[in-house]
Amino acid sequence: EAQVTQNPRYLITVTGKKLTVTCSQNMNHEYMSWYRQDPGLGLRQIYYSMNVEVTDKGDVPEGYKVSRKEKRNFPLILESPSPNQTSLYFCASSLWRGGDTDTQYFGPGTRLTVL
Amino acid sequence: EDQVTQSPEALRLQEGESSSLNCSYTVSGLRGLFWYRQDPGKGPEFLFTLYSAGEEKEKERLKATLTKKESFLHITAPKPEDSATYLCAVQGHTGTASKLTFGTGTRLQVTL
Repeated sequence: EAQVTQNPRYLITVTGKKLTVTCSQNMNHEYMSWYRQDPGLGLRQIYYSMNVEVTDKGDVPEGYKVSRKEKRNFPLILESPSPNQTSLYFCASSLWRGGDTDTQYFGPGTRLTVL
Repeated sequence: EDQVTQSPEALRLQEGESSSLNCSYTVSGLRGLFWYRQDPGKGPEFLFTLYSAGEEKEKERLKATLTKKESFLHITAPKPEDSATYLCAVQGHTGTASKLTFGTGTRLQVTL
């Protein structure tokens, strides 16, 4: 089954404790992206990657890191989480067609709480 | 900067009562307008992509239409299982083509 998977699905942590949220897709998509969703603000892009070893900042990158060492995986790293990073996080992937993304398919989400 | 505004914020319908959701957008050169459905605590589920004004797409009780300034998601004879939040997003020429700009969604509740 074609899908985007994220782990963990739920995470409660404390301020300053480094964490990683994993994202994996089995559709051979070149493009992957991370979003956060907050009430009243909608989905906002954190980082994206157009292919292996190619990443760039989205609208809200502060406090986050990413890496793309393999085509299927795109982990999101919070080196020193703070309470304002409490949110619902989504990973998405799509084909990359000559400068355009195709339809983006989303993972099930990771609900992060930082105390 | 690309912007998307969805209305109404929330909509309550009785089963069988048809209605429309609105997505108004401003974008520097539209590459695509996307509709997603999102159930509570789950990831957005793709519904439609529209690329140019005048285009229409249908899927079961849903029909999406597009003009140069807005898109409508028409729901005909809705059922309780259509209850969800419906998200609209645009992809424009501003900045990189990799970016989707989302609206905040319309929360639809369909009752018996």
